[in-house]
Amino acid sequence: DAGVIQSPRHEVTEMGQEVTLRCKPISGHNSLFWYRQTMMRGLELLIYFNNNVPIDDSGMPEDRFSAKMPNASFSTLKIQPSEPRDSAVYFCASSPQRYEQYFGPGTRLTVT
Amino acid sequence: DQQVKQNSPSLSVQEGRISILNCDYTNSMFDYFLWYKKYPAEGPTFLISISSIKDKNEDGRFTVFLNKSAKHLSLHIVPSQPGDSAVYFCAAVFGNEKLTFGTGTRLTIIP
Repeated sequence: DAGVIQSPRHEVTEMGQEVTLRCKPISGHNSLFWYRQTMMRGLELLIYFNNNVPIDDSGMPEDRFSAKMPNASFSTLKIQPSEPRDSAVYFCASSPQRYEQYFGPGTRLTVT
Repeated sequence: DQQVKQNSPSLSVQEGRISILNCDYTNSMFDYFLWYKKYPAEGPTFLISISSIKDKNEDGRFTVFLNKSAKHLSLHIVPSQPGDSAVYFCAAVFGNEKLTFGTGTRLTIIP
């Protein structure tokens, strides 16, 4: 298996622009997680899905952030409009209904 | 409020010696704990875990100890190798799959 796939790996955008991050989980995994990593706060859970249904989005910072999982093999995290403080590494992870989560390589987002 | 804390942002250890990474938590409801390892430009990878019904779990050079009364867990790596240089995150969970991560400790193994 190729593991969790994320795209793009790097994204540089200007403040105010829309950003869409993409994730393909490991086939057969029931749960999908979006995290944000910053120096100050470490790894923060933004939202997670179980069987394509959002279960907990309490970590989503504000209404500018939204996530979807239209099917078992694809999820998006969208930021609109983006701000410089959104600059971070965003990770997607999937889990086969156990605690061990498998992470993608991350997307490094820079908002100027 | 940070429920899982790693108070040492960095640690340097001589190759061949023991590395001890520490983690404290505040939520007594946590019932499962994990350690993840992260290299630069890669996502975290699962390393070892422990259930709250145990106080020790060992896997090769890696051992995790859990002290529930102190709400403390530690990861021991012995002997330390250069390839162990990475950022280590501890994580905790209860009930469902939502992991709460610490802020990480950067381990550097000195040859």
